[in-house]
Amino acid sequence: EIVLTQSPGTLSLSPGERATLSCRASQSVSSSYFAWYQQKPGQAPRLLIYGASSRATGIPDRFSGSGSGTDFTLTINRLEPEDFAVYYCQQYGSSPRTFGQGTKVEIK
Amino acid sequence: QVQLQESGPGLVKPSQTLSLTCTVSGGSISSGSYYWSWIRQPAGKGLEWIGRIHTGGSTNYNPSLKSRVTISVDTSKNQFSLKLSSATAADTAVYYCARADLSGSYEFDYWGQGTLVTVPS
Repeated sequence: EIVLTQSPGTLSLSPGERATLSCRASQSVSSSYFAWYQQKPGQAPRLLIYGASSRATGIPDRFSGSGSGTDFTLTINRLEPEDFAVYYCQQYGSSPRTFGQGTKVEIK
Repeated sequence: QVQLQESGPGLVKPSQTLSLTCTVSGGSISSGSYYWSWIRQPAGKGLEWIGRIHTGGSTNYNPSLKSRVTISVDTSKNQFSLKLSSATAADTAVYYCARADLSGSYEFDYWGQGTLVTVPS
């Protein structure tokens, strides 16, 4: 099983700032099979990024993903009020599918 | 617009079987282009993939739950279901159903709203 470790656990930022979230895998993941999700309280997760860098339908271009191998990054440029949420990384290159433990982006 | 909706008992007694159904609307579950998955999330914790099914009959389960999980599909009702036997308090969680692309390009682009299942200790 591939273990995904996200850092930091919490990110305290102000609207308009840039958020950089990291996810490290315990073994190499094909970048074709790496995703990021956003989850707000009481809601289901929402797919943001798939294939490590492709934005899902309707996702603003301030969200971008990068990385390969064991290190992946989600960047949110110019944080909007609605971006404060928990973000999860996920690999789907091998079974079982696994998720990171989440990074909470909170308002500073 | 595809929509998924979970349904089932919100309270399950210890040692009994947790049973949930996901109803898909806005598209046919039989299209063959997707896997249909179950994912759960204990309160305040992260996401755990339980398993998936394709309408062609193939299933994949998380090894951590494999001995207790069965996922099935009813194409006539456009539904798929989860059964988790021998439930314990550790199975208390919000359970989501979700769709994943068969080709593997992306996963979990559509989710149900989630349903809370409690197994008292």
